[in-house]
Amino acid sequence: DQQVKQNSPSLSVQEGRISILNCDYTNSMFDYFLWYKKYPAEGPTFLISISSIKDKNEDGRFTVFLNKSAKHLSLHIVPSQPGDSAVYFCAASWANRDDKIIFGKGTRLHILP
Amino acid sequence: EPEVTQTPSHQVTQMGQEVILRCVPISNHLYFYWYRQILGQKVEFLVSFYNNEISEKSEIFDDQFSVERPDGSNFTLKIRSTKLEDSAMYFCASSGLAEPNNEQFFGPGTRLTVL
Repeated sequence: DQQVKQNSPSLSVQEGRISILNCDYTNSMFDYFLWYKKYPAEGPTFLISISSIKDKNEDGRFTVFLNKSAKHLSLHIVPSQPGDSAVYFCAASWANRDDKIIFGKGTRLHILP
Repeated sequence: EPEVTQTPSHQVTQMGQEVILRCVPISNHLYFYWYRQILGQKVEFLVSFYNNEISEKSEIFDDQFSVERPDGSNFTLKIRSTKLEDSAMYFCASSGLAEPNNEQFFGPGTRLTVL
């Protein structure tokens, strides 16, 4: 039951350019969407989130866009830096504080020199 | 910056043995979770815990699993009789009232290897 889908297992981007990571979801009842970054042998690190009532949230180099009608969100990283090379997980949750997070399978981002 | 810590970082055990994975959540957080990631697969929810009781558990979290908050700082996951398929990374997470979008913060994980 893939409620959160990341269809690109990997992505390579030149340093300094924009990285765009995409995510689709099937459950229209999600209240929050989150992006996590993960390095090997570490836990997921929270990056940025967006409420379902918004369509954009920006934090420094990271911007998340939400298109509810298409059930699609994307993470933009600009400019991309070598330290951005990691696995990025799209995730979704509901309004209750003790609700679980549903993760996508992840996209491995490679930043090329 | 406050962070979630987990011990041990790696646990090797024989099939059928009991293991206890330990976590120290962020100190003012009230909501606690365990997730696991089998190699090459998604991060999967196991259980959530609030106010000293389980809020929700997944179908993975069967009678072999239990959680406990034995004191004001630790949060543990016990697997009573480990199976080969329990081999995975286990992540503890916590969340508090200050997070506007229900963000959960994850520990570094414990790699459990069942032989």
